[in-house]
Amino acid sequence: AQTVTQSQPEMSVQEAETVTLSCTYDTSESDYYLFWYKQPPSRQMILVIRQEAYKQQNATENRFSVNFQKAAKSFSLKISDSQLGDAAMYFCAYRSMLGFGNEKLTFGTGTRLTIIP
Amino acid sequence: DGGITQSPKYLFRKEGQNVTLSCEQNLNHDAMYWYRQDPGQGLRLIYYSQIVNDFQKGDIAEGYSVSREKKESFPLTVTSAQKNPTAFYLCASSNYLDKGSVDTQYFGPGTRLTVL
Repeated sequence: AQTVTQSQPEMSVQEAETVTLSCTYDTSESDYYLFWYKQPPSRQMILVIRQEAYKQQNATENRFSVNFQKAAKSFSLKISDSQLGDAAMYFCAYRSMLGFGNEKLTFGTGTRLTIIP
Repeated sequence: DGGITQSPKYLFRKEGQNVTLSCEQNLNHDAMYWYRQDPGQGLRLIYYSQIVNDFQKGDIAEGYSVSREKKESFPLTVTSAQKNPTAFYLCASSNYLDKGSVDTQYFGPGTRLTVL
């Protein structure tokens, strides 16, 4: 079974600065997807970024980028130019690429990010 | 607007009662999912459905039941057999891509269930 570990329960960053959230995972599969989801106080889960394991290039979405290290099974999220609206719980998630019957997301326990004005 | 709706936003239940949480999507997605979120934990999968009239148990299905009579609807019933039902429940949906692979899961706004 796959597991996802987020070792930082809480992080804080000064507005406009850069912060990196850590995520490690364990799997015996060679192809899979990794995600970062954001959960603001409204509690709706919002997709931040997605990475396919077969792609060597790190995914980027505006101020959000990942550092995907497949051999180390590490998938960190970097938020540049932090804004007050970035304050939320951030969840790292894993999904198999095996298709039918393997669609579930396996989540880490989350990192609460606070933005200091 | 396309999206996933869940109702109600807050739900209160007395012990021993069954309660049904609604999830509707107009994204024309094939697959739908129910997750449970507890404080300090990530989301855990309760049930999922790949197509109409078919569904599969997730990691924590005991005490829950689902139905999938329509593509756009996937209601979750929390039965009296669920020992600790107070939690936040999230519904999600996704589409199937070529070769059986699934697309990203998108989530509804959630339902907070409290057992009194």
